[in-house]
Amino acid sequence: DVKVTQSSRYLVKRTGEKVFLECVQDMDHENMFWYRQDPGLGLRLIYFSYDVKMKEKGDIPEGYSVSREKKERFSLILESASTNQTSMYLCASRPGLAGDEQFFGPGTRLTVL
Amino acid sequence: AQKVTQAQTEISVVEKEDVTLDCVYETRDTTYYLFWYKQPPSGELVFLIRRNSFDEQNEISGRYSWNFQKSTSSFNFTITASQVVDSAVYFCALKGGGTSYGKLTFGQGTILTVHP
Repeated sequence: DVKVTQSSRYLVKRTGEKVFLECVQDMDHENMFWYRQDPGLGLRLIYFSYDVKMKEKGDIPEGYSVSREKKERFSLILESASTNQTSMYLCASRPGLAGDEQFFGPGTRLTVL
Repeated sequence: AQKVTQAQTEISVVEKEDVTLDCVYETRDTTYYLFWYKQPPSGELVFLIRRNSFDEQNEISGRYSWNFQKSTSSFNFTITASQVVDSAVYFCALKGGGTSYGKLTFGQGTILTVHP
């Protein structure tokens, strides 16, 4: 079974802190994704990566950056957390084939005070 | 631009009722893929089905069935004889063709509550 793990299920940070959200997948998938989920808005893509050291902006990249130094790990970075970044963050991975489904991690619920 | 709209924000039914979740999509691609995911209270999205744009056959899997109609750009999901375990948030999603690297566009989600 594909396994996507995220470093924390719940996280509380203060405004202005630098926040790292880690995601690891164990199936050698090429593509990895970071989404945020907010009520009434569904999932919105923040960033994605189609290969090591490669990244592309998604629909809402402002205030975020990412890092993919190894194929299995994709990190989301909030350089200076703000209260409007309080949300559920979901990581996903996908093989490089067109049409394949994405496999999701359990999510990190981040609260910024 | 791609767009997915799920008409129902919340649905509440009693166990054993049938329920249909609507999904309408917009895309200019001729090749695309449609998905349904389930998000139970535990939070992890679970893949339910994938359909490509060239396959309009309806699909049934146990109590679940999907109706794909290109003419109306709809990909609706029906649960027959609903059960309490079906309570979850359900998302419809679209992936366009081309070099989009699997980028999915999600609908807003439908919260389904099945009461005993």
